[in-house]
Amino acid sequence: GQNIDQPTEMTATEGAIVQINCTYQTSGFNGLFWYQQHAGEAPTFLSYNVLDGLEEKGRFSSFLSRSKGYSYLLLKELQMKDSASYLCAVRPLFSGGYNKLIFGAGTRLAVHP
Amino acid sequence: NAGVMQNPRHLVRRRGQEARLRCSPMKGHSHVYWYRQLPEEGLKFMVYLQKENIIDESGMPKERFSAEFPKEGPSILRIQQVVRGDSAAYFCASSIDRASSGNTIYFGEGSWLTVV
Repeated sequence: GQNIDQPTEMTATEGAIVQINCTYQTSGFNGLFWYQQHAGEAPTFLSYNVLDGLEEKGRFSSFLSRSKGYSYLLLKELQMKDSASYLCAVRPLFSGGYNKLIFGAGTRLAVHP
Repeated sequence: NAGVMQNPRHLVRRRGQEARLRCSPMKGHSHVYWYRQLPEEGLKFMVYLQKENIIDESGMPKERFSAEFPKEGPSILRIQQVVRGDSAAYFCASSIDRASSGNTIYFGEGSWLTVV
């Protein structure tokens, strides 16, 4: 079956670093995505990994280990506006090369002063 | 360049009525995806369409739900005889091609359906 696991909730302090983990079991693998979603809004793209390693983009970084079925999203220098849900999504290999993504339930991050 | 436009943003329907949700993809995008997000759950793939064609509807319930993407006009997700369990946020996404680099799928702001 297809399964994406990530913690339900996390809290962190403004200015700190937080790591949100994601483990997956899917029918093949063709890329992993992280999205940010504020309440009542659209998911917005943060990062994409298809090869092992770390992808850095400003305050956000994402890591992938395909052999372990594991990814994490690292947020540095946290700001209050980073309070949101973070969605991990995998594009299985069977999906025919289109964006039929399998999403985790999301991690609600609360940043406090 | 406008993003993915969905309307209505909020829709209330009584049980047994029909709901029609519209999605205009980003300019130049001909690939449309519909996802559903139930409260406290992740987004679930429903259907993938290209202009005038349904490519994959494996995530859509067999009954009461239908989708189209005509040659002219927006994509429509239609839910007939709505039930309380259909209450959810319905997100449309679009891409310029099937799937290449990861950042080519863009989501609309969603349509929140409440069935009373």
